[in-house]
Amino acid sequence: DAGVTQSPTHLIKTRGQQVTLRCSPKSGHDTVSWYQQALGQGPQFIFQYYEEEERQRGNFPDRFSGHQFPNYSSELNVNALLLGDSALYLCASSHWGEGFYEQYFGPGTRLTVT
Amino acid sequence: GIQVEQSPPDLILQEGANSTLRCNFSDSVNNLQWFHQNPWGQLINLFYIPSGTKQNGRLSATTVATERYSLLYISSSQTTDSGVYFCAVEAPSTGGFKTIFGAGTRLFVKA
Repeated sequence: DAGVTQSPTHLIKTRGQQVTLRCSPKSGHDTVSWYQQALGQGPQFIFQYYEEEERQRGNFPDRFSGHQFPNYSSELNVNALLLGDSALYLCASSHWGEGFYEQYFGPGTRLTVT
Repeated sequence: GIQVEQSPPDLILQEGANSTLRCNFSDSVNNLQWFHQNPWGQLINLFYIPSGTKQNGRLSATTVATERYSLLYISSSQTTDSGVYFCAVEAPSTGGFKTIFGAGTRLFVKA
């Protein structure tokens, strides 16, 4: 049973560029959430996708956008990269129940903006 | 919004020692999870525990939802227990739920 996978593992971008990160959920899961983890801090919720729609969003600017595909995989896009966007980006998948569900995390994509 | 506080922020143990990590939250939550983040950044599920007590080997956890706290117990600690321990709560939000992480407890177990 494959767990949550993310690609790429590492990425280096320049300020102003755009980046796309990818996530495949755990088998049987239909919900994908994205988190940003800065060095030394806890993960911060970016947004959540279910049924190909953004269901919840954290306090992140519109430069952060996403997409969920019919196979439940997801992409996170960040436009106009800033130095402060350097972080570990984590994807989590879960099964949408009645508000109670357990999240499983992928290994993350480490983004460095120079 | 809901606040999640973890204590202590840092902990150094001698191998074989026991420890208790605490997670306090400021409002009612629907769900609570404990994770261990290894040095490579992978978040490993420890417990899914909105209420009650669970045990898994040397680890156990208790959540008292009515008093808004959860405890993670580590017994007979090993060097491989080192890393950061996070609690994460699922709190009601407009249109659904959001997950809020605490700042973590950084644990170092000395051989």
